[in-house]
Amino acid sequence: GAVVSQHPSRVICKSGTSVKIECRSLDFQATTMFWYRQFPKQSLMLMATSNEGSKATYEQGVEKDKFLINHASLTLSTLTVTSAHPEDSSFYICSRSGLAGVSYNEQFFGPGTRLTVL
Amino acid sequence: AQSVTQPDIHITVSEGASLELRCNYSYGATPYLFWYVQSPGQGLQLLLKYFSGDTLVQGIKGFEAEFKRSQSSFNLRKPSVHWSDAAEYFCAVTSGTYKYIFGTGTRLKVLA
Repeated sequence: GAVVSQHPSRVICKSGTSVKIECRSLDFQATTMFWYRQFPKQSLMLMATSNEGSKATYEQGVEKDKFLINHASLTLSTLTVTSAHPEDSSFYICSRSGLAGVSYNEQFFGPGTRLTVL
Repeated sequence: AQSVTQPDIHITVSEGASLELRCNYSYGATPYLFWYVQSPGQGLQLLLKYFSGDTLVQGIKGFEAEFKRSQSSFNLRKPSVHWSDAAEYFCAVTSGTYKYIFGTGTRLKVLA
């Protein structure tokens, strides 16, 4: 069964509003989770690494103030798209790493959240 | 620089035909390799992975992949494609840092 959930699966919002997307690790306390963005018919691009109890690590070119990441507990990471604009419309996917050892290198992905900004 | 290349953006095969999707990587360290499938509007489903050992790995849905270090490749194969295999396929690589690099994807179309 699914080990990572995302909520909501789809969201439509007006330009200028903020949207929060939740990512939950269902079976494992994840100190590290990841947020990806996928444009239509394109690959996944890592946006940031979410670290429990500390600041997220953002990839180059990702606006920290635009995409706020909070990892307040070992099972929940949230991505807030602030002052959303139509160009922020995309498919957002989160993931967590595997257990310790070799499996730590494997990521388990959530089902994704489709954000549409009008 | 580390990179993953999927040379074929689109592939069309007839149902029942064999399939091979190519993946080449450029990585300094020992890679961990993955193939994922994504249906429209859905998340990623892991087909198979290679960490070490036997270079021919079996996955779900009848897929297999072979790791060839000399060619820096990890090509995905299936002997007989089903219409339900139509989807987007992504190759991904990581190397101990748990940071993935994804290929650009190959969109598979299956003709009835």
